[in-house]
Amino acid sequence: GAVVSQHPSWVICKSGTSVKIECRSLDFQATTMFWYRQFPKQSLMLMATSNEGSKATYEQGVEKDKFLINHASLTLSTLTVTSAHPEDSSFYICSARQGNDSPLHFGNGTRLTVT
Amino acid sequence: GIQVEQSPPDLILQEGANSTLRCNFSDSVNNLQWFHQNPWGQLINLFYIPSGTKQNGRLSATTVATERYSLLYISSSQTTDSGVYFCAAFSGGYNKLIFGAGTRLAVHP
Repeated sequence: GAVVSQHPSWVICKSGTSVKIECRSLDFQATTMFWYRQFPKQSLMLMATSNEGSKATYEQGVEKDKFLINHASLTLSTLTVTSAHPEDSSFYICSARQGNDSPLHFGNGTRLTVT
Repeated sequence: GIQVEQSPPDLILQEGANSTLRCNFSDSVNNLQWFHQNPWGQLINLFYIPSGTKQNGRLSATTVATERYSLLYISSSQTTDSGVYFCAAFSGGYNKLIFGAGTRLAVHP
């Protein structure tokens, strides 16, 4: 149980375009999901906390207008990278948990390359 | 916010050797997890261990919450154990899972 599915697994886009990444909890409901970004040879950095039915909470230094998060249902959160630039190229990973005393489960990540 | 520090940053082992990875955290936690990230970027959930000791095959972990550290033991290491090991702590006060910088492990045959 507790599977988190992320799609797509990789995407290449041109500078200036937008890319949407989906994160789904397959067998449980998640009122909260988390989005992370990882640059090569670095750790995972929390970008934002996605809350079902309300606005996402962004970490300091993360532009909310650039990284749009929508948590429309208890099983789906989306991250849209708007007007992507090469410096947005990174590995994006989402996670979700079943409850406050449960571990976080992670999707397989999305490797974004902006050309 | 909560700080998570891991040591050592890099580790090289001969196959069959044992090792201990350490994770220190700056605040009380209600969630402590260990992950192994494989070369494809997948995060494999090793342990969910806010306190106590757990074992899974050749791996075991111990968290001493009162002293704010956790240890991951790898016994009889294999080349497939290579990769990056992350410790991540979740503080209820901050409601977020924060990752350490990781330990990069290379196991040579």
